[in-house]
Amino acid sequence: QQQVKQSPQSLIVQKGGISIINCAYENTAFDYFPWYQQFPGKGPALLIAIRPDVSEKKEGRFTISFNKSAKQFSLHIMDSQPGDSATYFCAASMGGETSGSRLTFGEGTQLTVNP
Amino acid sequence: DAGITQSPRHKVTETGTPVTLRCHQTENHRYMYWYRQDPGHGLRLIHYSYGVKDTDKGEVSDGYSVSRSKTEDFLLTLESATSSQTSVYFCATRQLNSGNTIYFGEGSWLTVV
Repeated sequence: QQQVKQSPQSLIVQKGGISIINCAYENTAFDYFPWYQQFPGKGPALLIAIRPDVSEKKEGRFTISFNKSAKQFSLHIMDSQPGDSATYFCAASMGGETSGSRLTFGEGTQLTVNP
Repeated sequence: DAGITQSPRHKVTETGTPVTLRCHQTENHRYMYWYRQDPGHGLRLIHYSYGVKDTDKGEVSDGYSVSRSKTEDFLLTLESATSSQTSVYFCATRQLNSGNTIYFGEGSWLTVV
């Protein structure tokens, strides 16, 4: 059962454009929604994260928009740069010590930013 | 960077052989995880540990076992490797009371022929 669905699978944008990646989740117990960035041959690295008590979080050119009622969240990359070319994963987790806050990931989006 | 080292980084093995992947961390993080990454599936949790000798199954645990005898080491064993276990395996860690930030290692590429 895929609890976090991500789209699109791949995305090509021009330098300076806006990249938008969307995710939808099913489990209303999720209370933490991170985005991870992965470069080829490397492990994923945390990019930005949000909790459901806010609707938007911005860090530099990266913004998460969160819609709790629709159970959807999205990553917006403003002024996209070739160095942003990577695979992006959305994820979700819930608290609790024995649950270990383990992450459930979306399928990933391969972003290519053309110069 | 949470000081995570995975070994081996690359391995080719034959079907039916046992394989052990090792994850070593230097930050004394309480939680450790093993994920596998496959195209179209993102990362899927295999097993995780919430303390020494405390482990539990993830969503794709069949054919895998884990052990954690020390805080710093988390071993993943494929009891009898199959071609469907060809994948990239990532170890990850999280500290208690650090929020939910999970740090990933660099990955272990496993090919089962």
